[in-house]
Amino acid sequence: EIVLTQSPGTLSLSPGERATLSCRASQSVDSYYLAWYQQKPGQAPRLLIYGASSRAPGIPDRFSGSGSGTDFTLTISRLEPEDFAVYYCQQYGRSMYTFGQGTKLEIK
Amino acid sequence: EVQLVESGGDLVQPGGSLRLSCAASGFTLNTYTMNWVRQTPGKGLEWVSHISSSSRTIYYADSVKGRFTISRDNAKNSLYLQMNSLRAEDTAVYYCARARILDGHTFDYWGQGTLVTVSS
Repeated sequence: EIVLTQSPGTLSLSPGERATLSCRASQSVDSYYLAWYQQKPGQAPRLLIYGASSRAPGIPDRFSGSGSGTDFTLTISRLEPEDFAVYYCQQYGRSMYTFGQGTKLEIK
Repeated sequence: EVQLVESGGDLVQPGGSLRLSCAASGFTLNTYTMNWVRQTPGKGLEWVSHISSSSRTIYYADSVKGRFTISRDNAKNSLYLQMNSLRAEDTAVYYCARARILDGHTFDYWGQGTLVTVSS
């Protein structure tokens, strides 16, 4: 099983700042199968990025994804108040899916 | 508009059984792979099970293999999860999620979830 480790666990930033979230895999992941989700309290997760770097429909261009192999990054260029939430990375491989443990992005 | 609505969550004793349902609308269910994903209160996400559009391919997480059974009825636009031999650690909100296989097996639509509590 591929384990995804996200860092930091909590990120405290102010609106307007840049956020960089990391997702590290225990073994190499095909970028095609790496996604990022946003989850707000009381809501289901929302797909942000698929294929490591492609934005899902309706996702603002301040969200971007990058990376390959075992290291992937979600970047939010300028934080808006509605971006403060929990973010998860997810991969698919060998007939199973795994999620990272999440990064909580909180207002500083 | 794509909608996924889960139902069937309840309080059940350890060792008991429960059947979850997910009603799909706004898209053609029989062309999509579907999944169940759960989230323990205050914790992260855990994938549970996958079923292809034709039910030909089914996968389970090791934690539920042999206890849970995923199925679907495309004619009724519905997805199901039969959960047997329930344990305390199965307590979670269960989401059904639509998978986009051609976009790297990502989950593009999720329901709002149904809560399963396993406790005596």
